[in-house]
Amino acid sequence: NAGVTQTPKFQVLKTGQSMTLQCAQDMNHEYMSWYRQDPGMGLRLIHYSVGAGITDQGEVPNGYNVSRSTTEDFPLRLLSAAPSQTSVYFCASSPGLSNEQFFGPGTRLTVL
Amino acid sequence: RKEVEQDPGPFNVPEGATVAFNCTYSNSASQSFFWYRQDCRKEPKLLMSVYSSGNEDGRFTAQLNRASQYISLLIRDSKLSDSATYLCVVQDSWGKLQFGAGTQVVVTP
Repeated sequence: NAGVTQTPKFQVLKTGQSMTLQCAQDMNHEYMSWYRQDPGMGLRLIHYSVGAGITDQGEVPNGYNVSRSTTEDFPLRLLSAAPSQTSVYFCASSPGLSNEQFFGPGTRLTVL
Repeated sequence: RKEVEQDPGPFNVPEGATVAFNCTYSNSASQSFFWYRQDCRKEPKLLMSVYSSGNEDGRFTAQLNRASQYISLLIRDSKLSDSATYLCVVQDSWGKLQFGAGTQVVVTP
């Protein structure tokens, strides 16, 4: 099993550009989530999904969209990138909310 | 006030020594507690869950104090490979996970 995979590993954007961060898991987990990690702060939940077709907002959803058309994939879209979105983004999956979270390797995003 | 607070460290620990650190949480209705380990520029990985009665996993011991709303992690006989950032994670009553910013541990030869 590959576990949770994320692409790209690194990305540089200009302010106003849009892009999609990809996340996939091959463990048949129902629960998937996106976090951002900034220096001096804990991981903050952006959006999450409890199953295909179901998504909900987390703590910091503004500026991001998600969709969950399949169990395996959970892409994160930046609509119009801003310097405040410079961060490390982690996707995670788990069998359920109370279970161990399996994280992808992260995407390091810089917005100029 | 942050929901989960940790001393950022770093805790500089000689190899073979014991180190312990705490994490405080603000929501008294929190349900579940975890310690995750994060190596530099890597993803977090589950180290251990924290149970009400306290629990051990090899050289690692986790304790929960609900009255004072903190959890602790103790590492005995520290190894160089224990150098990492340890994230405290608290699950609230709605099932959402709240992450602390992490405590950095540096084990020195």
